[in-house]
Amino acid sequence: DIVMTQTPLSLPVTPGEPASISCRSSQSLLDSDDGYTHLDWFLQKPGQSPQLLIYMGSFRASGVPDRFSGSGSGTDFTLKISRVEAEDVGVYYCMQRREFPFTFGPGTTVDLK
Amino acid sequence: QVQVVQSGAEVKKPGASVKVSCKVPGYSITEFSIHWVRQAPGKGLEWMGGFDAVNSKTVYSQRLEGRVTMTEDTSTDTAYMELSSLRSDDTAVYYCILDIPFDYWGLGTLVTVSS
Repeated sequence: DIVMTQTPLSLPVTPGEPASISCRSSQSLLDSDDGYTHLDWFLQKPGQSPQLLIYMGSFRASGVPDRFSGSGSGTDFTLKISRVEAEDVGVYYCMQRREFPFTFGPGTTVDLK
Repeated sequence: QVQVVQSGAEVKKPGASVKVSCKVPGYSITEFSIHWVRQAPGKGLEWMGGFDAVNSKTVYSQRLEGRVTMTEDTSTDTAYMELSSLRSDDTAVYYCILDIPFDYWGLGTLVTVSS
């Protein structure tokens, strides 16, 4: 199975400031057949179901504010929030869908300082 | 607006089975590839299985292989996830997700396994 790791596991943030989360996979998530990187980012706000933020490494899901961006390739990926807002608190997960079984990172808890 | 509607909370005894349902009102269930993810209390997300549209088959997590079955009833447009031989560590919220891609999640179904 592809192992996903995230750093940091806890991230205190200040509203208005930028923030970033790293995700690393044990194997490349690039599919040479379709040319896509199969890495998604989710945010689970307190008491809610997870919501898709970024798919295929860098594509924002519908309705996701443009302060969220995803980047990276191969085995190293980053989720960036250009200016954190109070509503961005929660747990962020990366997930690989390059191959079955899909696997998630352990999650990064983002809360306000 | 696409909604994913799941069945209500369940309490089961160890060794029993649970069957969680998932519907998408206004749509045929066959329009979607359905996946299931669970989350134990205070823990992270675990993919359980789902429909592999490329190979037209359902794929399961090997951790649950033999205990989990995912089916669809086209007459009622309902997807089901059945987990058997329940143990206390199966206590979790079970999510039904539409793989378009993973953009629509149900609210989750809490399954509690307790004697």
